[in-house]
Amino acid sequence: GAVVSQHPSWVICKSGTSVKIECRSLDFQATTMFWYRQFPKQSLMLMATSNEGSKATYEQGVEKDKFLINHASLTLSTLTVTSAHPEDSSFYICSAIEILGQETQYFGPGTRLLVL
Amino acid sequence: LAKTTQPISMDSYEGQEVNITCSHNNIATNDYITWYQQFPSQGPRFIIQGYKTKVTNEVASLFIPADRKSSTLSLPRVSLSDTAVYYCLVGDSGSGNTGKLIFGQGTTLQVKP
Repeated sequence: GAVVSQHPSWVICKSGTSVKIECRSLDFQATTMFWYRQFPKQSLMLMATSNEGSKATYEQGVEKDKFLINHASLTLSTLTVTSAHPEDSSFYICSAIEILGQETQYFGPGTRLLVL
Repeated sequence: LAKTTQPISMDSYEGQEVNITCSHNNIATNDYITWYQQFPSQGPRFIIQGYKTKVTNEVASLFIPADRKSSTLSLPRVSLSDTAVYYCLVGDSGSGNTGKLIFGQGTTLQVKP
């Protein structure tokens, strides 16, 4: 199956700083990528849809100015958590759709963010 | 987007076959059914996807009745390493659609020795 990577796998930062998370589709091109957040013992929550070359579409309740998404190429999308606060500490997961006949969404390994 | 309903948890023993059923009464004509497996602190892993009837791959089978209002993931001869959360999702990633998938709570499968 298709491979999606994320970098970094974990990050610790101080409150008020910004953190950038990268999501790459390694062996396929992805016009559309998604960003999710997952808190402990909970399911994945969709944050936004990232489309190559256009603005991201955010889900209701997700602050677009706080979670900046850039999808500059067909293999890379980035999520920047700006002015991070402890409540932003979570597990962030990206996914990408492989377009090969039947479309399937593949997920990255996730990035653990801890804001102190 | 069609909503899915799955059992919150299931227990099984090593070597048994496990069947997890998911209800999706509002499934749309173009929707596919996809199952994912997630271990703690990892991203979901694709298991199987289908549209109708039966689909089988090297790890699982997916049974979809004619009305497509439910589906059953079948895991043959589970092992301790199959202990995970299993998600059933319904969506349409076809041309012109966003491909959004909305996760429910999933089914936590506990495999015992």
